[in-house]
Amino acid sequence: GESVGLHLPTLSVQEGDNSIINCAYSNSASDYFIWYKQESGKGPQFIIDIRSNMDKRQGQRVTVLLNKTVKHLSLQIAATQPGDSAVYFCAEKWGAGGTSYGKLTFGQGTILTVHP
Amino acid sequence: DTEVTQTPKHLVMGMTNKKSLKCEQHMGHRAMYWYKQKAKKPPELMFVYSYEKLSINESVPSRFSPECPNSSLLNLHLHALQPEDSALYLCASSQEVAASYEQYFGPGTRLTVT
Repeated sequence: GESVGLHLPTLSVQEGDNSIINCAYSNSASDYFIWYKQESGKGPQFIIDIRSNMDKRQGQRVTVLLNKTVKHLSLQIAATQPGDSAVYFCAEKWGAGGTSYGKLTFGQGTILTVHP
Repeated sequence: DTEVTQTPKHLVMGMTNKKSLKCEQHMGHRAMYWYKQKAKKPPELMFVYSYEKLSINESVPSRFSPECPNSSLLNLHLHALQPEDSALYLCASSQEVAASYEQYFGPGTRLTVT
């Protein structure tokens, strides 16, 4: 079946470094791609999303890049801080109706560890 | 207020018990969701409610029974669960089911089936 996956299960960086978390997807029909952060004992927290007709979107310290040619999504975190340590999930969502309308499908997740 | 609350935080139940999980939001959202998350795995969608009607059931076993009594509340009734059903159950809500609307997640209920 179609799925969203990640290249690297763990990423360890030093405080102040830039972090890049990658994600490969296979469903070219998805309308939105979203990055979530999940800290221990908490639910996923929305970070940033990007619509399928865009290739780049910036937020506060984060940038999401979408390459539809190779079906690749990445999250860049600038000046990574210890508080950024968490599991990061990419997810995709269909928006065109049908039986999958409203369905959010998560990738496998990357554990980001930031060392002081 | 952008909070989704879930009760209880932790639940231990036997295989013959009947229990319920509760989720509440007061953001005026009309879409609500149940997800199941096993340890070190991503959340997996179980059910979607849109305007208090069930719109997606991801082939979830009937021992899980969702209910949306009003636009602010979502329940998950549990009966005759198996040990493999032990997981973190997450509730989420969004303004509507359309892809452009952000989903807000609650902290989850940690369920252990003995």
